[in-house]
Amino acid sequence: EAGVAQSPRYKIIEKRQSVAFWCNPISGHATLYWYQQILGQGPKLLIQFQNNGVVDDSQLPKDRFSAERLKGVDSTLKIQPAKLEDSAVYLCASSGPEGSNYGYTFGSGTRLTVV
Amino acid sequence: DAKTTQPPSMDCAEGRAANLPCNHSTISGNEYVYWYRQIHSQGPQYIIHGLKNNETNEMASLIITEDRKSSTLILPHATLRDTAVYYCIVRPYTGGFKTIFGAGTRLFVKA
Repeated sequence: EAGVAQSPRYKIIEKRQSVAFWCNPISGHATLYWYQQILGQGPKLLIQFQNNGVVDDSQLPKDRFSAERLKGVDSTLKIQPAKLEDSAVYLCASSGPEGSNYGYTFGSGTRLTVV
Repeated sequence: DAKTTQPPSMDCAEGRAANLPCNHSTISGNEYVYWYRQIHSQGPQYIIHGLKNNETNEMASLIITEDRKSSTLILPHATLRDTAVYYCIVRPYTGGFKTIFGAGTRLFVKA
């Protein structure tokens, strides 16, 4: 089974610019998550989708971050405008239907550097 | 907040067993213990999970205490490639529940 695909792998932008990340989950996985991982810390959940609906976005800085999963498959995460503190790895994960027993499958992430 | 407590770092000699502890004293009856690891520049990778019985797979063994308030991940013969950050997480078994990560344990395997 193909894994979770993310692109781009790396991105460098200047502060106040905008950036978008893309994620394609494992086929058939209804739940999709975006995490932010700052260097030296564990991943922090930003948003959780169930199909194309948002389940939890309580940790998403909504003044600058947005995410969508229009057709319940792939997803995009956008930052506009970016700040220096947004420099991090952005991880996408997906999980299978109820009863699946391997927790999440993560992509390799997008490393964002804001200068 | 994460519901688990782990030491920030540990060392292990190559070829020896690595025993990584985790405290989860507030675990609920429907929550499982999951372990993931994250090698540099990669996303976290699933290792093993369990409810109350000890579990073993090709990667590791998981020992859960009888009161379920703590567990130990055992890598029986650590190699240099096992150097990574290991995360212990508690969450319900069924899909769709969010996973809250703590800071994990950074394991250094030394030659």
